[in-house]
Amino acid sequence: QKEVEQDPGPLSVPEGAIVSLNCTYSNSAFQYFMWYRQYSRKGPELLMYTYSSGNKEDGRFTAQVDKSSKYISLFIRDSQPSDSATYLCAMSVGNTPLVFGKGTRLSVIA
Amino acid sequence: GAVVSQHPSWVICKSGTSVKIECRSLDFQATTMFWYRQFPKQSLMLMATSNEGSKATYEQGVEKDKFLINHASLTLSTLTVTSAHPEDSSFYICSTSSGTGSENQPQHFGDGTRLSIL
Repeated sequence: QKEVEQDPGPLSVPEGAIVSLNCTYSNSAFQYFMWYRQYSRKGPELLMYTYSSGNKEDGRFTAQVDKSSKYISLFIRDSQPSDSATYLCAMSVGNTPLVFGKGTRLSVIA
Repeated sequence: GAVVSQHPSWVICKSGTSVKIECRSLDFQATTMFWYRQFPKQSLMLMATSNEGSKATYEQGVEKDKFLINHASLTLSTLTVTSAHPEDSSFYICSTSSGTGSENQPQHFGDGTRLSIL
């Protein structure tokens, strides 16, 4: 079992839909949880950063962490074509390097 | 705005050439920077951790003599791909952290360097 599991998709949704992206993990020591958005031929862009269970909201984005289930989610409300990208979850223990999921390719169709 | 600047964004060169990629932390001093490699439609693979003023820590399977890392200042780390061959063609990305103290989170990434070896 890999440390971080993420469905690679692709996921295709109509404009305005609510998107749910998820990752599961096996290492209960993970403390920091991040979601990155990566456009084609660009570096990952930090979207959300959390270090505790619960929800964190930033505009149309909500990150959810459930440490008891070892499950994290990213919700995108009112999705736009400009949200079409690959979304990577990442997590770490303290000072250690990030462990990434494989990334989910999202297409939002106008 | 960008907190990490990476240069060049795209390099095409002949086999046998050495290529240097620069990663600059723009907004803060970074004692630690990370170098990743990404193949098409795959996730990022950590190559090495670059520490200011000391030797880099390489991941298993990464040749330290092939991928030379220098982190001579708190704002600049360089990755040199020595005697590059077509199999070294990839997307190389650096990252650094704005975290305080001993925590290296969250990490911010550069825009990557696309390396194509002919």
